[in-house]
Amino acid sequence: QITLTQQAESLWISPGERVSITCRASQSLLYTDGKHYLSWYQQRPGQTTKALIYHASVRTDGVPTRFIGSGSGTEFTLSIEHVQPEDFAIYYCLQTLKSPYTFGAGTKLELK
Amino acid sequence: QVRLKESGPRLVQPSQTLSVTCTVSGFSITTYHVSWVRQPPGKGLEWVGGIWKGGSTDYNSALKSRLSITRDTSKNQVFLKMNSLQTDDTGTYYCAKQEGGHFDYWGQGVMVTVSS
Repeated sequence: QITLTQQAESLWISPGERVSITCRASQSLLYTDGKHYLSWYQQRPGQTTKALIYHASVRTDGVPTRFIGSGSGTEFTLSIEHVQPEDFAIYYCLQTLKSPYTFGAGTKLELK
Repeated sequence: QVRLKESGPRLVQPSQTLSVTCTVSGFSITTYHVSWVRQPPGKGLEWVGGIWKGGSTDYNSALKSRLSITRDTSKNQVFLKMNSLQTDDTGTYYCAKQEGGHFDYWGQGVMVTVSS
């Protein structure tokens, strides 16, 4: 199965800063259609899990432009510019290229 | 408006069978895939399996021998059944709508505890 590694379990940042969360796949997530099957999710207590980015860089409807997905092949990044108080949450990457779908272990953004 | 809602027992005895229902609205399960994802307390997410819009299923190989995912298209419901439960099956079980290779909508989840 494809393993996704999010090396940082936690990242401590202050509101207004920029942060990058990385996700490394054990094999390329590029499909023959030219798209990467890598997506990003946000989990906040008491809220439904929210999709932020799909196909590595496409923002889902309604997601603020400060959330930016980038990367290709096996290396992917979720960047958040000018972090807002509501962004302190846990972030997961997910690959849906091959079954079984797999998630990264998650990265928690914590207030510095 | 797209909504997914999980329902099921909160407490299940070890070795028994878990049955969870995902009731969806705002879309048809014959048009979009639906997956199940679980999360042990304080831990990360694990894809359990899914049922595709055509009715075929795909299961996490680690759980496959204990899993069954079915649906009732007339009620727009998807069902998860997992047998031979153990304490490490404790967690929150979510259903999620799949589109374009990602899970665009999730339910709130149902917390299931496996304990005697």
